[in-house]
Amino acid sequence: KNEVEQSPQNLTAQEGEFITINCSYSVGISALHWLQQHPGGGIVSLFMLSSGKKKHGRLIATINIQEKHSSLHITASHPRDSAVYICAVGSGGTSYGKLTFGQGTILTVHP
Amino acid sequence: ETGVTQSPTHLIKTRGQQVTLRCSSQSGHNTVSWYQQALGQGPQFIFQYYREEENGRGNFPPRFSGLQFPNYSSELNVNALELDDSALYLCASSPRGASRTYEQYFGPGTRLTVT
Repeated sequence: KNEVEQSPQNLTAQEGEFITINCSYSVGISALHWLQQHPGGGIVSLFMLSSGKKKHGRLIATINIQEKHSSLHITASHPRDSAVYICAVGSGGTSYGKLTFGQGTILTVHP
Repeated sequence: ETGVTQSPTHLIKTRGQQVTLRCSSQSGHNTVSWYQQALGQGPQFIFQYYREEENGRGNFPPRFSGLQFPNYSSELNVNALELDDSALYLCASSPRGASRTYEQYFGPGTRLTVT
């Protein structure tokens, strides 16, 4: 079992739909990151959170530390949101930078 | 403020050769982490450098080595290339401070193909 599991692996939506991507992890973490990766490889950090909820524009990220679960929500989805969304957890300790990644969720939003 | 840059963008090497990938960290960042991302997979942590010292390593063999320079730029060296080394190599820089949690800023990656 992977330390970080995402679901679904693939997600197709129509423009305007509300989207949820889930992430579960099995290790103790210092922070959880949501990342966006477009074709070609570039990765953009969307959120870093260790508790509660964060919102940026149409994106909302929540985390439940007790349940070891996080969700990324996209409201009013748009075709430009089409990308791979990756959940990654930071373990802290002596390797502050070590991130363990989920396999990613491929999101396609159709007009 | 300049972001994280990586060079080259693409690279094709032959099995058994050696390769050096380069990363320039974002201004003010003293920590660089390297990741390998195989096609269709999430990135895997290779190692991290903090103030020119290796500061944590993932499950990669010793033929993967690195350097960090006084200006905090970094190199990833891979010796005796194998076909399975074909991947996107990402570096990420961060401003490591007193806090244990900090954002990482990713470069665009280097696509390495080993034939």
